[in-house]
Amino acid sequence: ILNVEQSPQSLHVQEGDSTNFTCSFPSSNFYALHWYRWETAKSPEALFVMTLNGDEKKKGRISATLNTKEGYSYLYIKGSQPEDSATYLCASLDQTGANNLFFGTGTRLTVIP
Amino acid sequence: KAGVTQTPRYLIKTRGQQVTLSCSPISGHRSVSWYQQTPGQGLQFLFEYFSETQRNKGNFPGRFSGRQFSNSRSEMNVSTLELGDSALYLCASSLVGSNYEQYFGPGTRLTVT
Repeated sequence: ILNVEQSPQSLHVQEGDSTNFTCSFPSSNFYALHWYRWETAKSPEALFVMTLNGDEKKKGRISATLNTKEGYSYLYIKGSQPEDSATYLCASLDQTGANNLFFGTGTRLTVIP
Repeated sequence: KAGVTQTPRYLIKTRGQQVTLSCSPISGHRSVSWYQQTPGQGLQFLFEYFSETQRNKGNFPGRFSGRQFSNSRSEMNVSTLELGDSALYLCASSLVGSNYEQYFGPGTRLTVT
């Protein structure tokens, strides 16, 4: 079982603010790190899958970085919009051969218009 | 192309009964994973099926079982239901496995009374 932690648990920001959250995971035997966005009453939606140390990925105003040596990933949202309100989940996969994703409990973002 | 579908969407069962949930993956996806979410918990991995074989299993009792058919559709069965089994059950499909991005269905909300 991998211990994946996310912080903060919840966050309220004003429209237009930029924000970021953290995902911590065990660095030993690391294989992949996933980010998902889960809006209320919808299904979780994949944002990024990252595997290499130093990876940076971007999708519109959302970007993510990965540090596998120290076991953390940051998700950044630039110029937050109300439609960014959602729970952001990260999940880690290790190299043991088991194909299980271990999810954190998420960061709940609310963007105030 | 059609997304992941799950049936039923809502279910109410009594303690001691059994239940079967169904998941139809995106066409062409051969891997199906199942997750449980209970209040305050992150998504907990149940099992993963690939080409009709269970490749991985999470830390759940034997009352939780599943199978996958030749068309990649998957079913999950829970026998002798307990109150603690009340949860949202999500399935996700991917091309190959959990190291690739997962496409989630809308979930089945199971309530055990």
